[in-house]
Amino acid sequence: ETGVTQSPTHLIKTRGQQVTLRCSSQSGHNTVSWYQQALGQGPQFIFQYYREEENGRGNFPPRFSGLQFPNYSSELNVNALELDDSALYLCASSLDVLGTQYFGPGTRLTVL
Amino acid sequence: GQQLNQSPQSMFIQEGEDVSMNCTSSSIFNTWLWYKQDPGEGPVLLIALYKAGELTSNGRLTAQFGITRKDSFLNISASIPSDVGIYFCAGLIQGAQKLVFGQGTRLTINP
Repeated sequence: ETGVTQSPTHLIKTRGQQVTLRCSSQSGHNTVSWYQQALGQGPQFIFQYYREEENGRGNFPPRFSGLQFPNYSSELNVNALELDDSALYLCASSLDVLGTQYFGPGTRLTVL
Repeated sequence: GQQLNQSPQSMFIQEGEDVSMNCTSSSIFNTWLWYKQDPGEGPVLLIALYKAGELTSNGRLTAQFGITRKDSFLNISASIPSDVGIYFCAGLIQGAQKLVFGQGTRLTINP
């Protein structure tokens, strides 16, 4: 059974640029949730995708957007990057919207 | 919004000692989860708790879901060097999709 995978591992961008992060869910899981983890903090919920639709959103601006594909993989897009967007971005997959969430290794984004 | 207060923030112990950490909240949670995170990695699930009063073990780890549904604790017995890392509690509120995380407990073990 393949676990949750994320790409890329690390990314460096400059302010104002756009970035796309990718996540492949664990086999059999139809729900993907995205979290932002700033240094020294716990993860903060960005949004969740269930069967290709957004199913709940945290306190993040609209420049954070996402997609889920028919194979349940997902993308997180961030436009107009700001310095404070520098963080570890984690995705987690679950069997359904309330299922136990299993995390991927994360993508470390640095905005200069 | 919902917040989890996790304590202690950090612990420095000797190898072989037992460890205890806890989370409290003013909100009621339907599920409590405990994760461990190593540097540069994603959180790894240790224990999941689904019922108030539930006591669950996973090897040397034991966790309990508080009766009031507003707290949980995690105990580690006979600590070993690979227990080093950051431990997070997380709660799931009924009908909500998001996990709410505590601030983490950083565990350091002196050999």
